[in-house]
Amino acid sequence: EVQLVESGGGLVQPGGSLRLSCAASGFTFRSHWMHWVRQAPGKGLVWVSRINSDESNISYADSVKGRFTISRDNAKNTLYLQMNSLRVEDTAVYYCTRGLSGTAIDYWGQGTLVTVSA
Amino acid sequence: SYELTQPPSVSVSPGQTARITCSGDAFPKKYGYWYQQKSGQAPVLVIYEDSKRPSGIPERFSGSSSGTVATLTISGAQVEDEADYYCYSTDSSGNHRGVFGGGTKLTVL
Repeated sequence: EVQLVESGGGLVQPGGSLRLSCAASGFTFRSHWMHWVRQAPGKGLVWVSRINSDESNISYADSVKGRFTISRDNAKNTLYLQMNSLRVEDTAVYYCTRGLSGTAIDYWGQGTLVTVSA
Repeated sequence: SYELTQPPSVSVSPGQTARITCSGDAFPKKYGYWYQQKSGQAPVLVIYEDSKRPSGIPERFSGSSSGTVATLTISGAQVEDEADYYCYSTDSSGNHRGVFGGGTKLTVL
């Protein structure tokens, strides 16, 4: 069974940093592209970033480019999202998701809430 | 930036057919994907590559794509199908960035 378990969310002040982790199990992690998707309270889904199997192909949404960094550790079956210079508008549930045929998404974690507030 | 456009809401009675559309200029070249999100839950993939159904998804869910419009069809909608539905694709840039539609609230009552 595919499992994606996010951690690292919490309350942070504007301008602060946070690092999200996603522990993957139930599939061959190193063979899949991975994505982060977020959802602000009461709003729709927004694609944030994706990374290919060996970290050679990475892409970001314009809203986070230059502030967020996606990475992975295939030995630990773990995906990361380093979030710097956080803004109030970054407040959202962040979902770790598995890539389907690379650029699409099939499985989702349960999400971790990030709140940016003074 | 690339956008996918969905109607904010669709309403049907139980047993009727619900159709949710998603408009995007890249659809003739890009696949469409559909996700169901029930209240308080993570999204679930219900249609991939325009018209394929993952295992475990009921046969009443189907997808199609024509020109710049992808469509999710729920034939004989049931009360438990009430949820938010999101389409997804990628832009035409070399970066293949993901894009979600704004979501459609399906009401079945």
